Amino acid sequence: DTGVSQDPRHKITKRGQNVTFRCDPISEHNRLYWYRQTLGQGPEFLTYFQNEAQLEKSRLLSDRFSAERPKGSFSTLEIQRTEQGDSAMYLCASRGGGPLHFGNGTRLTVT
Amino acid sequence: AQSVTQLGSHVSVSEGALVLLRCNYSSSVPPYLFWYVQYPNQGLQLLLKYTTGATLVKGINGFEAEFKKSETSFHLTKPSAHMSDAAEYFCAVRGTNAGKSTFGDGTTLTVKP
Repeated sequence: DTGVSQDPRHKITKRGQNVTFRCDPISEHNRLYWYRQTLGQGPEFLTYFQNEAQLEKSRLLSDRFSAERPKGSFSTLEIQRTEQGDSAMYLCASRGGGPLHFGNGTRLTVT
Repeated sequence: AQSVTQLGSHVSVSEGALVLLRCNYSSSVPPYLFWYVQYPNQGLQLLLKYTTGATLVKGINGFEAEFKKSETSFHLTKPSAHMSDAAEYFCAVRGTNAGKSTFGDGTTLTVKP
């Protein structure tokens, strides 16, 4: 169990640019989740996958956000045309039948 | 639908004092309940969980929580605070048939020497 890995740890981008984050879950976990966390708030659900199928997507997620998990292993989260309001910590988590295991997150700063 | 309310965004205790962090939940189905801890610039680490069975659950670092269905609560306690307990704590709920967990807004615990 090497834990959930996220890359990069930090990303600074200019408004209007596209960014992509990667998450490698714990290998035997079939469920993978993306959450967003801003200062003083708890993690806010974005989307989740069971194997390669995206089963739920938050209504709060705009069309600029897209996530994939092409082979049921790693996942990517892309944000197109970034806005300053996208600045946050993006957390990935995975689980089998039990609780969530989180990565250390990707901190996005949009200038 | 599911939700979590954590009463008190900041709690301050003296080292050696009792820690009590409050969590109330709402769930339309029997819930699974969790407490996580987060240190600065890190992800969340599981402290303890309630699924079924015994309503008093023990976790890591001396923490425990009690599921009270009648009060829809899952408060976190620790008899004696340590400086290393200073962190942010999150309560989460997941319905037994749900895929996602819903988190509260967190409680920042400060431990004074």
